[in-house]
Amino acid sequence: SSELTQDPAVSVALGQTVRITCQGDSLRSYYASWYQQKPGQAPVLVIYGKNNRPSGIPDRFSGSSSGNTASLTITGAQAEDEADYYCNSRDSSGNSWVFGGGTKLTVL
Amino acid sequence: EVQLVESGGGLVQPGGSLRLSCAASGFTFSSYEMNWVRQAPGKGLEWVSYISSSGSTIYYADSVKGRFTISRDNAKNSLYLQMNSLRAEDTAVYYCARDLSGWSTYYFDYWGQGTLVTVSS
Repeated sequence: SSELTQDPAVSVALGQTVRITCQGDSLRSYYASWYQQKPGQAPVLVIYGKNNRPSGIPDRFSGSSSGNTASLTITGAQAEDEADYYCNSRDSSGNSWVFGGGTKLTVL
Repeated sequence: EVQLVESGGGLVQPGGSLRLSCAASGFTFSSYEMNWVRQAPGKGLEWVSYISSSGSTIYYADSVKGRFTISRDNAKNSLYLQMNSLRAEDTAVYYCARDLSGWSTYYFDYWGQGTLVTVSS
């Protein structure tokens, strides 16, 4: 099965821009979706498709994709954005899904 | 309001069985594909199983194939995960998640709060 690779940890200064990346062969066939998870809480969808935000997700969250790499960008990071972020896509085989290992975002 | 509420978790001995349930409300359950996703303590998310809206198509992660069975009862707006031959490595919070798809994209738009399964003697 495919794998999705994420950097384990990223930090950003308050108000600055940060990009979290996700690499994998399945991203050549499918867009990634991105999930935010805070301690003790269920994951929350923040980006899906080419660059779509569910209702209620701030517009400082955006997504992009190129080749085998998907990116989640937070423009003007806020303290409340500190969380774990996971990418996900359907596997290239089409009969399973795969998550990245997660990126822990620290807002300084 | 869409709600997914898992139940059925608990402590079970290795080799034992457990059945998880996910009660759905706030949407037409029979129209949506559903998944189970788990998260071991301190670890990342792992997709476990998928079921189509009618129940006719089912997929499993290799790690649970042959041991877990996903099912649904659209009349009861409920999703299930029967877990047999449980191992210590199955210890995790289990989430049910609603599945949506579009052009070249698949995503989980709503998640339950999770139920903890602990496999230990």
